[in-house]
Amino acid sequence: DAGVTQSPTHLIKTRGQQVTLRCSPISGHKSVSWYQQVLGQGPQFIFQYYEKEERGRGNFPDRFSARQFPNYSSELNVNALLLGDSALYLCASSEGHPNTGELFFGEGSRLTVL
Amino acid sequence: GEDVEQSLFLSVREGDSSVINCTYTDSSSTYLYWYKQEPGAGLQLLTYIFSNMDMKQDQRLTVLLNKKDKHLSLRIADTQTGDSAIYFCAESPNFNKFYFGSGTKLNVKP
Repeated sequence: DAGVTQSPTHLIKTRGQQVTLRCSPISGHKSVSWYQQVLGQGPQFIFQYYEKEERGRGNFPDRFSARQFPNYSSELNVNALLLGDSALYLCASSEGHPNTGELFFGEGSRLTVL
Repeated sequence: GEDVEQSLFLSVREGDSSVINCTYTDSSSTYLYWYKQEPGAGLQLLTYIFSNMDMKQDQRLTVLLNKKDKHLSLRIADTQTGDSAIYFCAESPNFNKFYFGSGTKLNVKP
């Protein structure tokens, strides 16, 4: 069975550009979350979506946006990139209904902003 | 309740026990988790504990929870070189968002 898949795995952008990251959850999972992991730190929560609705938002500026599609895949968009946006962006899926809340993570998209 | 703190490094010899500690602030968290991250990979859930439990054992892993002090620990018995990784403590008050610590890098020497 396929796990959480993310694309692209690596990308380089310049300041001011925009980026779109994609995530496909585990089959049957209805919830997708996005996390930013800066080098040397733990993941920081950005968004959670469940059944195409935003269920949670972390402390990130409005330059960050996301959406979830009817097939439960998701995109994270970041506009007007800053050097500080360089990080590993992790997508995680979960079943979504109350349970142990286990998150299943993809391997991430590593974004470098020059 | 978003602060989760961990020590940054731990070095042990193969065969010894490793104990990784974590403190958290959100007393409403229902579950507390330990995740493992190997180089170049995403995070993988190791184990979790309900907030109404004091201890959970799962093969070589033992989780201890002190709710009064908001302290969580992970003990790995008979640590192997393959256990070398970064270990993250995480709490979640509502399953909508998880708060992770900065991670403890475990180095296991042969």
